[in-house]
Amino acid sequence: AQSVTQLDSHVSVSEGTPVLLRCNYSSSYSPSLFWYVQHPNKGLQLLLKYTSAATLVKGINGFEAEFKKSETSFHLTKPSAHMSDAAEYFCVVRGGEYGNKLVFGAGTILRVKS
Amino acid sequence: DGGITQSPKYLFRKEGQNVTLSCEQNLNHDAMYWYRQDPGQGLRLIYYSQIVNDFQKGDIAEGYSVSREKKESFPLTVTSAQKNPTAFYLCASSKDPGAYSNQPQHFGDGTRLSIL
Repeated sequence: AQSVTQLDSHVSVSEGTPVLLRCNYSSSYSPSLFWYVQHPNKGLQLLLKYTSAATLVKGINGFEAEFKKSETSFHLTKPSAHMSDAAEYFCVVRGGEYGNKLVFGAGTILRVKS
Repeated sequence: DGGITQSPKYLFRKEGQNVTLSCEQNLNHDAMYWYRQDPGQGLRLIYYSQIVNDFQKGDIAEGYSVSREKKESFPLTVTSAQKNPTAFYLCASSKDPGAYSNQPQHFGDGTRLSIL
C-alpha cells in the first residue's frame, strides 16, 4: 500500500527562524514525491518535486526537501521563515501501484509569528 | 497566461438540487482531475480523465458525475445523491497522464460549495 504521513498538523515558527515540515511515505515502488503549498481559499501551488535524480531538491521561495530512502522521508525545510510562508503544506506521492493518481498527506498548517 | 479557471468561486445548493462546477484549462494538458477537500483530510480524488471522452472514478465518486467532451473542459456535477456536498472542490490538470509520469498537476483556485 502507498500512503503519506505528515507528522505535524500544525507548526509554528518565528519570522527569520528555520522551518521543518515532516513527511514520511510508504510505497512498494520508487515514487515521485511532491510538496505543494495552499494559501487560504486558493488552489495548490507546486513547491518542488523529487523524481529519482538528486536527493536534495530545491524549490521555489527558498524551500528545499531531501529524499531519504532509508528513512522513507521527504521533509521540507527553509532556512529562514517569512510571514508570507504562512499557509498549508501538502506532501504528495505518485506512481507505482497508484498509477497516475496523487496520494495526499493530511496537510501541515504553518504559522509564522512576527 | 495559461492556467486553470474554476467557476463559480462560491456556490450554494438547495436540498435535492444538482449543481455543476466548471473547470477550463488552456494548458493543452491531456489529463484532468477533480478533488474534494475537507478540513484536516487532505485532498481526495473524485474523478479523473486521461483523454477526451474517457474518465475513471476516483476514491469518492459516489454522488458525482463528470463529462469530458472537449480537451479543455471537465465539468463536475454534484448530484442530489451526494448527501454531504459541502466542501472545497479543486480541479487540476497534468500534461502526461501516464502511470509513471512525474509531471506535476496544476490546480485551479477552487469552488466552495455550501448547502442552503
